[in-house]
Amino acid sequence: EAQVTQNPRYLITVTGKKLTVTCSQNMNHEYMSWYRQDPGLGLRQIYYSMNVEVTDKGDVPEGYKVSRKEKRNFPLILESPSPNQTSLYFCASAWASGGAYNEQFFGPGTRLTVL
Amino acid sequence: ILNVEQSPQSLHVQEGDSTNFTCSFPSSNFYALHWYRWETAKSPEALFVMTLNGDEKKKGRISATLNTKEGYSYLYIKGSQPEDSATYLCAFGSQGNLIFGKGTKLSVKP
Repeated sequence: EAQVTQNPRYLITVTGKKLTVTCSQNMNHEYMSWYRQDPGLGLRQIYYSMNVEVTDKGDVPEGYKVSRKEKRNFPLILESPSPNQTSLYFCASAWASGGAYNEQFFGPGTRLTVL
Repeated sequence: ILNVEQSPQSLHVQEGDSTNFTCSFPSSNFYALHWYRWETAKSPEALFVMTLNGDEKKKGRISATLNTKEGYSYLYIKGSQPEDSATYLCAFGSQGNLIFGKGTKLSVKP
């Protein structure tokens, strides 16, 4: 089954404790992206990747890191999480003859709470 | 900062009504306009991706139009059904950067 998976689905952590949210897709998509969803603010793009070893900042990259060492994986790293990073996070992937041209397939979401 | 505006914020209709929503976006550096449907407790699902001025796309009772010169897109739902209840998101694509509007929340009463 074609899908985007994220782990963990739920996480409660404390300020300053490094964490990684994994994202994996099995559709051989070139493009992958991370978003956060906050009430009243809509979906906002954190980072995106047009292909392996190519990453770019979205609209809200501060406090996050990403890497794209393999085509299928695009982990989101929070080196020192803070309470303002409490949010619902979505990973998405797409075919990239243009990246943003193509419909994105979203993962199930990760609910992160930073105390 | 690029801004994508959607209106109305919410809409309540009766089953069988037809409805439409608006998405306004910058008319410069345009690559694509996406529409997604997002049901509560699920993930967004793609409806359409449009790239050319004048594009019209249709999927069942749902259709969309695109005007890149004036920076707007319309989403139409003909004969709304309760299962159409969801938040409809549009997103402006400028190369890899995708900027979402805040969505229009549609509620369809039986």
